[in-house]
Formats: sequence, C-alpha cells, structure tokens
Amino acid sequence: AQTVTQSQPEMSVQEAETVTLSCTYDTSENNYYLFWYKQPPSRQMILVIRQEAYKQQNATENRFSVNFQKAAKSFSLKISDSQLGDTAMYFCAFKTRSGSEKLVFGKGTKLTVNP
Amino acid sequence: ETGVTQTPRHLVMGMTNKKSLKCEQHLGHNAMYWYKQSAKKPLELMFVYNFKEQTENNSVPSRFSPECPNSSHLFLHLHTLQPEDSALYLCASSQEGGLAWHTDTQYFGPGTRLTVL
Repeated sequence: AQTVTQSQPEMSVQEAETVTLSCTYDTSENNYYLFWYKQPPSRQMILVIRQEAYKQQNATENRFSVNFQKAAKSFSLKISDSQLGDTAMYFCAFKTRSGSEKLVFGKGTKLTVNP
Repeated sequence: ETGVTQTPRHLVMGMTNKKSLKCEQHLGHNAMYWYKQSAKKPLELMFVYNFKEQTENNSVPSRFSPECPNSSHLFLHLHTLQPEDSALYLCASSQEGGLAWHTDTQYFGPGTRLTVL
C-alpha cells in the first residue's frame, strides 16, 4: 500500500523569505503522480502543483517549485518570496497511474507566513 | 458557476434528522469523490464514483448513503448520524484516463461544515 509522510506538522516563515516543505512517499509503482494541495483557512482545497513521475524535470508554478527525487521517494515543495496569502495547510498527495482513482494524502503541514 | 460547488456550506442537524449534501462539478469530469476531513486526522476517502458507478466504498457506515445520478452531480444522504460524524465533507472530481494535461488530478469543492448535535 502507498503511504505519504509529511514530517513537519507546523512551520513558519517570514514574509518574502523562502520555505521548503518536505514529503516522502512509499510505493512499489513506477508510474504515478504527485501533488501538493493548499487549504487556506477559508477551507477550499486548491491544487498548487503536480508532478508526473516519468518526467525528470521538476515542476514549477510561479513562486512554487518542487524537488522531485524519485530514487529517494522525496517530493518537497519550495515556496519563494512567501506571501501572507500562502498561510495555509499544505497536503502532499500520491496517485498511481495503474487504474485506481485513489489519492493518498499526507497529514499536512500547517504553514504560517509572518509579516 | 465554475469548478466544483457544494451546498449547503454549513449544516447543523440532530441525530434523528435526515439531510442531504449536494455536489456539482462543471468541469466535464467522469469521476467524483466524497471525503471526510476531521480535526487532526488525515483526509478520509469515503466514496468514489466513476461514470456514475460506485468504484470505492471505504468501509463507510450505512448512515451515509451516496447517490450519483449523472457524472456532474453527487449527493450524500445522511440519516441518524452520530456526534462523531461532525466534520468537513469535501467533494472532488477528476478526469480519469485520457491524455489531457489535467488527467488524474482531483479538484475540490469548498466543503460542507457538518455539525451533529
């Protein structure tokens, strides 16, 4: 069974600085997707970034980028130039491409951006 | 409306009530999901529907009854709930299979905050 581990329950960062959230996963699959979702205090879960395992290039979306290390089964999220609006719960998630619709989530990291 | 919508946003019910949660997706997706999010617990997948057929029931008690009349609408019927069922209920949808860039990516609604008294 696949598992996703986020080892940092809470983190904080100063506005305009850079922060990295860690995520590791366990799977025997070779073809899969990895995601970072953001859930602000207003509750709606929003997709931040997505990575396909067969792609070696790390995904980037504006200030958000990932460091995908397939051999180490690591998928960290880097937020550059942190903004107050980045304050949220961040969830790492895994999905196999083998036909299951299931998305496996980590427990989340609560990020607070301080002014 | 765009994306995934859920109604109501807040619901308070007694243990003997019957109520329903509604989810609608405007993304043309073929799969829909119900999740339960409780404080200090990981997100729990409850049900999965793919092309209106239920493909996953994650050992959910029978007091929760899903209904998927078509690929755009998903309901969760609630009856004789317990206080421990109080949680945020999230609906999501995705396009499973295919070659579009967003394939296999779940998009979430805003959730219904349920309180059972």
